Amino acid sequence: GQQVMQIPQYQHVQEGEDFTTYCNSSTTLSNIQWYKQRPGGHPVFLIQLVKSGEVKKQKRLTFQFGEAKKNSSLHITATQTTDVGTYFCAGGQGAQKLVFGQGTRLTINP
Amino acid sequence: DAMVIQNPRYQVTQFGKPVTLSCSQTLNHNVMYWYQQKSSQAPKLLFHYYDKDFNNEADTPDNFQSRRPNTSFCFLDIRSPGLGDAAMYLCATSRTAGTTYEQYFGPGTRLTVT
Repeated sequence: GQQVMQIPQYQHVQEGEDFTTYCNSSTTLSNIQWYKQRPGGHPVFLIQLVKSGEVKKQKRLTFQFGEAKKNSSLHITATQTTDVGTYFCAGGQGAQKLVFGQGTRLTINP
Repeated sequence: DAMVIQNPRYQVTQFGKPVTLSCSQTLNHNVMYWYQQKSSQAPKLLFHYYDKDFNNEADTPDNFQSRRPNTSFCFLDIRSPGLGDAAMYLCATSRTAGTTYEQYFGPGTRLTVT
């Protein structure tokens, strides 16, 4: 079945440093979504990418979808303590299901 | 305003004692999902309903069942909980119209099995 691999599993940065997490799929994805889960919280939708090569920005967050629609990345510029949490990518499988990556847990030293 | 509500937030049950977790939504979404999430892991899809159509994941144990009596409510029944079933159970909803829509997650029910 479809697998979505995400690296790194953990990332610790100093506040103000940049952060990137990468997502790779074994098959071509129809779309990819990104979610953030704060410690003790539930996943919250951040964004969806659909088009090959698509790049979207949300303030300090930049999301990319690869040309082959098999990989994606999330980059945070100048991290803040509010960015702490686990970031999951999730690949669209058919019209209804998502396959989640393992997540990247971001911790920040203030 | 709460959109996906899960009750209870914390549930303690004994080994082998049936337990039911509930989820309700005010979004009128067609699709409802149940995920199991263990510590430091990704949410694992157990099953989902597209309207009344039930879709079970191939690796979901028979111990897990679900009911969706109407659009707003969905239940997760664990018939004989084992220690390995201790986890956070997340309910989520989404619209569907031929492409994947974002999923809205509830706050989760943390299940402890003693």
